[in-house]
Amino acid sequence: DAGVIQSPRHEVTEMGQEVTLRCKPISGHDYLFWYRQTMMRGLELLIYFNNNVPIDDSGMPEDRFSAKMPNASFSTLKIQPSEPRDSAVYFCASSPSYSNQPQHFGDGTRLSIL
Amino acid sequence: SQQGEEDPQALSIQEGENATMNCSYKTSINNLQWYRQNSGRGLVHLILIRSNEREKHSGRLRVTLDTSKKSSSLLITASRAADTASYFCATGGNNRLAFGKGNQVVVIP
Repeated sequence: DAGVIQSPRHEVTEMGQEVTLRCKPISGHDYLFWYRQTMMRGLELLIYFNNNVPIDDSGMPEDRFSAKMPNASFSTLKIQPSEPRDSAVYFCASSPSYSNQPQHFGDGTRLSIL
Repeated sequence: SQQGEEDPQALSIQEGENATMNCSYKTSINNLQWYRQNSGRGLVHLILIRSNEREKHSGRLRVTLDTSKKSSSLLITASRAADTASYFCATGGNNRLAFGKGNQVVVIP
């Protein structure tokens, strides 16, 4: 299996621009997670999906953040408009279950907002 | 809410030595997981120990779990330069997986 695939690996953009991060989970995994990692706050869960349905988005910082999962093999995380404080590494992970099996992470998108 | 929290001290050791990291948590759990993150990469699952288990081994890794003290330890034996990474514990239970902030380990060749 190819593992969780994220794109782009790096994104540098100016404040105010729209940013779209993409994720392809492992086939057959029912759960998909979006995390944000910073030095100050560590790894934060933003939102997770079960069978393409958003279950818990309480970690999404503001209305500027939105996530979709139109089908079992694709998800997006969008930031509009972006701000410098959104700079972080964003990870996507997938798993057959939520907490009782390992989560498989992509290599992340390093986002820099200037 | 439950949260894995590693011993925050960074660890620097010589190749061949053992490395031990600790993790504490606050609430009841179904399992505890350890992950490794190499620089610039995503987290990689290392080992899962269930709440009714006390010790588990996987290759050079040994994990212990003490539910009475709400703590776990990860031991890496005979460390190698390739073990240089950040190590995270994550507690699973009540339909939630919570990660700690990580513990950086540097293995000097």
